[in-house]
Amino acid sequence: GAVVSQHPSWVICKSGTSVKIECRSLDFQATTMFWYRQFPKQSLMLMATSNEGSKATYEQGVEKDKFLINHASLTLSTLTVTSAHPEDSSFYICSARDRTQTDTQYFGPGTRLTVL
Amino acid sequence: QKEVEQNSGPLSVPEGAIASLNCTYSDRGSQSFFWYRQYSGKSPELIMSIYSNGDKEDGRFTAQLNKASQYVSLLIRDSQPSDSATYLCAVGNDYKLSFGAGTTVTVRA
Repeated sequence: GAVVSQHPSWVICKSGTSVKIECRSLDFQATTMFWYRQFPKQSLMLMATSNEGSKATYEQGVEKDKFLINHASLTLSTLTVTSAHPEDSSFYICSARDRTQTDTQYFGPGTRLTVL
Repeated sequence: QKEVEQNSGPLSVPEGAIASLNCTYSDRGSQSFFWYRQYSGKSPELIMSIYSNGDKEDGRFTAQLNKASQYVSLLIRDSQPSDSATYLCAVGNDYKLSFGAGTTVTVRA
């Protein structure tokens, strides 16, 4: 149980293009999903909290117009990196909160984004 | 001051030994505490969760929590080469998690 999938697992794109990453909770309903970014040899940094049916809450310093988040259902959240630049290259990881287990978050496998 | 602090390591232990990882946190209102394991290039995997003071054991792993000292630890008994990874301490408050930088553990065969 508590499986979270993410797609794609890796993507390479040209500077200026947009990339969409999907995060799905496969066997539980997740009213809350989280998007993290991790640079090499650094810890996870929370980018935003995605709540089903409402606007995402962004952490300080994260541009909401650049990182568009949609949480249309209890099992799906998407992150779109708009007008990507090389400095956006990173490991993007989503997690889903199992509301039956307090704060426990289960992580997707991550998406490696490389912007050329 | 960082919210969650861990020794970055690397922590090198021989196979079969006990690996001891420590974590301190700054927010006294924190309610939940987690240890995640992350292999290189992979996403974190939940190992343990603990919510109340004391010890919690799960197989070869034991988590210890002391809220008065704002301290949480993880013991790995009978360490195996497959335990070589980065271990992330996470502290929860109002359903958001704050992560430490992680401690890299290397188990020598």
